[in-house]
Amino acid sequence: DGGITQSPKYLFRKEGQNVTLSCEQNLNHDAMYWYRQDPGQGLRLIYYSQIVNDFQKGDIAEGYSVSREKKESFPLTVTSAQKNPTAFYLCATRGAATNEKLFFGSGTQLSVL
Amino acid sequence: GDSVTQMEGPVTLSEEAFLTINCTYTATGYPSLFWYVQYPGEGLQLLLKATKADDKGSNKGFEATYRKETTSFHLEKGSVQVSDSAVYFCAGGTSYGKLTFGQGTILTVHP
Repeated sequence: DGGITQSPKYLFRKEGQNVTLSCEQNLNHDAMYWYRQDPGQGLRLIYYSQIVNDFQKGDIAEGYSVSREKKESFPLTVTSAQKNPTAFYLCATRGAATNEKLFFGSGTQLSVL
Repeated sequence: GDSVTQMEGPVTLSEEAFLTINCTYTATGYPSLFWYVQYPGEGLQLLLKATKADDKGSNKGFEATYRKETTSFHLEKGSVQVSDSAVYFCAGGTSYGKLTFGQGTILTVHP
């Protein structure tokens, strides 16, 4: 079954703790993205990667880190430096021939304990 | 930088009413424009798109026309259903695939 899998669906972070959100895709897409969604606001781009072993900062990268060691995987780490991490996190992919259409995962809700 | 301004909600309508959600964009160059829909607790799904001026995107009874002269991409549907209740996002992007999103409009349709 093709698609984007984000896990876990719900995640809780203790103060001072780093947590990692998983994003896996079997669509064979080169580009992958992480967006943050806050209630009543649009999506804001955290990081994106257009190819393996390369990634770029988005608009709100501070307090986050990513890696892209495999085409299929683009994990996002929310570090302790991110002081307001509570949000809904969405992973997305884009293939070369899809004219900028993004495919989205079902999201991870991160909350602070 | 690029920006997308979307009509603020929430919007509440009765079933079979006419829907318009306004969206305007500011960008360098000529972005492709999109409407995405998000149901509770889920990711976003592409509803429709337009890639150049005067293009009309349409899907599931929804339509939007890329108006270069007014830099707009308003979403319309002639007769909404309860199942259309969701959050709608307007977005614009260049060939690098980075999309800029509007703030979203919550639509609630009552029977």
